[in-house]
Amino acid sequence: SQQGEEDPQALSIQEGENATMNCSYKTSINNLQWYRQNSGRGLVHLILIRSNEREKHSGRLRVTLDTSKKSSSLLITASRAADTASYFCATDAFTSGTYKYIFGTGTRLKVLA
Amino acid sequence: DGGITQSPKYLFRKEGQNVTLSCEQNLNHDAMYWYRQDPGQGLRLIYYSQIVNDFQKGDIAEGYSVSREKKESFPLTVTSAQKNPTAFYLCASSSRDRGVYEQYFGPGTRLTVT
Repeated sequence: SQQGEEDPQALSIQEGENATMNCSYKTSINNLQWYRQNSGRGLVHLILIRSNEREKHSGRLRVTLDTSKKSSSLLITASRAADTASYFCATDAFTSGTYKYIFGTGTRLKVLA
Repeated sequence: DGGITQSPKYLFRKEGQNVTLSCEQNLNHDAMYWYRQDPGQGLRLIYYSQIVNDFQKGDIAEGYSVSREKKESFPLTVTSAQKNPTAFYLCASSSRDRGVYEQYFGPGTRLTVT
């Protein structure tokens, strides 16, 4: 099935460092989204990048998309302890006249103070 | 959590019992979704609904049922036919923005079946 797969599965960094996580997917997409999940909570939407965009910024977040390689990366600059969470990419699938999203398995980020 | 409520936060049931998880949204969103998340895993789609009185099976619908009688509500019933129901259940809703769906998630219900 079409699914985003994040890499690495887990990442541990010091506060102030940058964190980079990657997402690969299998089929053509219209857009790709990144979400954050704090432990035991729901997901929060971070950023959306459309298939005709190559890079997008939002505060300390930078997302890139390479449709030729079917991959995306999420960069968090100057990380903080509060960034500790799991991060998921989600790719769209249009089936039976409706949109749904396929989520990857996530990257667990731990930022050490 | 974006105007979506799920209740209860924790739910305990005995094996063989059906249980219904509540999901309500006040965002006026047309689409609603149910996902299941197992420890250390991503989200898997159970059911989704684009409009009232209509819903479609997701990737793991077996053992689950839903209804969509009102725009605001999309309850999920975990039936006794679900072989491994213990999991974290997340409800989401979305509207359409230039053909793109950003999803808003509820806080989740953690179901434990013993």
